Amino acid sequence: EVQLVESGGGLVQPGGSLRLSCAASGFTFSTYAMHWLRQPPGKGLEYVSAISSNGDTTYYVDSVRGRFTVSRDNSKNTLYLQMGSLRVEDMAVYYCATWVCRGGNCYSDYWGQGTLVTVSS
Amino acid sequence: EIVMTQSPATLSVSPGERATLSCRASQSISSKLAWYQQKPGQAPRLLIYGASIRATGIPARFSGSGSGTEFTLTISNLQSEDFAVYYCQQYNNWPFSFGQGTRLEIK
Repeated sequence: EVQLVESGGGLVQPGGSLRLSCAASGFTFSTYAMHWLRQPPGKGLEYVSAISSNGDTTYYVDSVRGRFTVSRDNSKNTLYLQMGSLRVEDMAVYYCATWVCRGGNCYSDYWGQGTLVTVSS
Repeated sequence: EIVMTQSPATLSVSPGERATLSCRASQSISSKLAWYQQKPGQAPRLLIYGASIRATGIPARFSGSGSGTEFTLTISNLQSEDFAVYYCQQYNNWPFSFGQGTRLEIK
């Protein structure tokens, strides 16, 4: 059974840092690109970052570029999101998700349950 | 950045009826579109990718259509478990982006 389990969320003050983890099991993690997405309370879904299967290529949305860093440890089947200079607008449930591309089409078929990041003084 | 616009924001439909949800892209995305369903307190669930390809295990009452900038998700014979929020998502260009969602509620 495929599982993605996020951890590391919590309460942090504006300007603070937090590292999220996403532990993967039930599939060959090292062959999957992975995404981080977020959902502010009561709002819609937003992309945050993406990383290739081997970690060599990363993408960020403009609002987090320079503040967040995505990485992965394929030996530990774990995805990370290091978040710095946190802002109130970063407060959200953060999800990790697989990213599969086959025959020109791509999709996120597995998602974690999410971890809540609260940014408040 | 590609902006995805969904309509309507809320759709009220009776069980057993058909629901039609729309999604428009600010520029052509070919067929690089997915639909996700989200229920309260849960992660999104993939329904459709490639604009019209049902994901594994998704009932045939869910169908997607469209290409370019106009897309539709149709849910036939609505079941109680179908009432949720639906998001379209483009993956033609980074940053990938979602519509703001359509809430499908029981009439």
